[in-house]
Order: sequence, then C-alpha cells, then structure tokens
Amino acid sequence: EPEVTQTPSHQVTQMGQEVILRCVPISNHLYFYWYRQILGQKVEFLVSFYNNEISEKSEIFDDQFSVERPDGSNFTLKIRSTKLEDSAMYFCASSENRGPSANEKLFFGSGTQLSVL
Amino acid sequence: AQRVTQPEKLLSVFKGAPVELKCNYSYSGSPELFWYVQYSRQRLQLLLRHISRESIKGFTADLNKGETSFHLKKPFAQEEDSAMYYCALSGQRQAGTALIFGKGTTLSVSS
Repeated sequence: EPEVTQTPSHQVTQMGQEVILRCVPISNHLYFYWYRQILGQKVEFLVSFYNNEISEKSEIFDDQFSVERPDGSNFTLKIRSTKLEDSAMYFCASSENRGPSANEKLFFGSGTQLSVL
Repeated sequence: AQRVTQPEKLLSVFKGAPVELKCNYSYSGSPELFWYVQYSRQRLQLLLRHISRESIKGFTADLNKGETSFHLKKPFAQEEDSAMYYCALSGQRQAGTALIFGKGTTLSVSS
C-alpha cells in the first residue's frame, strides 16, 4: 500500500531557528494536511492545502507557520522562528479527491518529532 | 464549537473480554465520525468511519445522534488490539476539511 513519507523522523533545533519539515504525500492524492501532537495531548489540526493554496487553517497556524508544495511531490511545513512550545510530533497526511462528498480517508505519515531547545 | 471527548485515558481488559471505548462529540450540524488507531511504533491509521457502517478487525461503532456518541465496541478483545484509539469528527461534507481529534484512549489487552 502506498505511504505518506516524512523526513526527518527527529529534528532538534534551537529556539528562534527556522525549521522545515518535509512530507511526500501519496502520488495521486490532491489534499494535504499537517497535524501536530504535543506530548500527552491530543492530535491537533494545523492546516489543509489543495490546488496550491491553503483551504483551511486553525488558530495554531499563525504567521510563524507556512506551507509549500515546491516541486509537485514534496509538501513542506516551515516554522520561521521556533518556540519551545512548538516541540511536538508533526504529522503530515493526504487524501484523494473524489468530489464534494463526505470527508475522505486520511493517510498519515509516521511523523517528525520536533524538539526545540 | 466542535469537540470530541474521550473520557477514558486508559482501558485495561483481559483477552476475550468485551471492549467499549467511549466517544462523545459536540457539533450542531451533521458530523462525520471516525475512529483512528495507532499501534506501537506505527503511524496513525483509519480504523472505521460511521458512514461506511463496516466492521473492521471485529470493531464496530454506531453513531447515536440522540446521545451524541460514537462508542467503539468489540465483543472479544485480542492482545493485538492493544493500541491508542482516537475518535475524530469532521463537521463538513467536503474533502480537505479538518479532523477534530479526541485525546485518545489507550487500550491494553492482557492474557
């Protein structure tokens, strides 16, 4: 079965540094998502992306965050100036577009553990 | 506001015992409800969704709009069912809409 791939699996950075988390969605999928899970807390929606633009974003996804699909295969999440509270597991997901029906099955990557020191 | 509540952080049962993982939701419209599972060291994956009315790995879940619940049930638990289970809600009938997750329940099945 095709998989969503995320790199790196672990990322350690200093507070204030920029980080880019990378994801390769399943090739025929058209919708892409980022979620995060702070240790001990629930999985939280950050942003969804379709047709090269953000379709929905949460309150967490402020100006420090951005997403990009630079080359038609990768889907990246950039945090411009990391804060301690950005430490979390970040999950990428993708879904296939089958038209305006009920929400499609999301396929999740294995996550990138971001540690901000 | 959309909210998903899973009241139990941990549920421990013996092999062969019935399992019920509770999920309650808050949403004013007609939600789509899902159960996701995360086995140890594996990725989050869809277990089942209410619109499919399916049974996966012996698990079923019925949407009860009166009680705003979507409890996950299995009559006889197996050790391989041990995992983290997340109930999730989507409030709109459109692809690309956010999933709202509950905090998750760890199911531990012992022999």
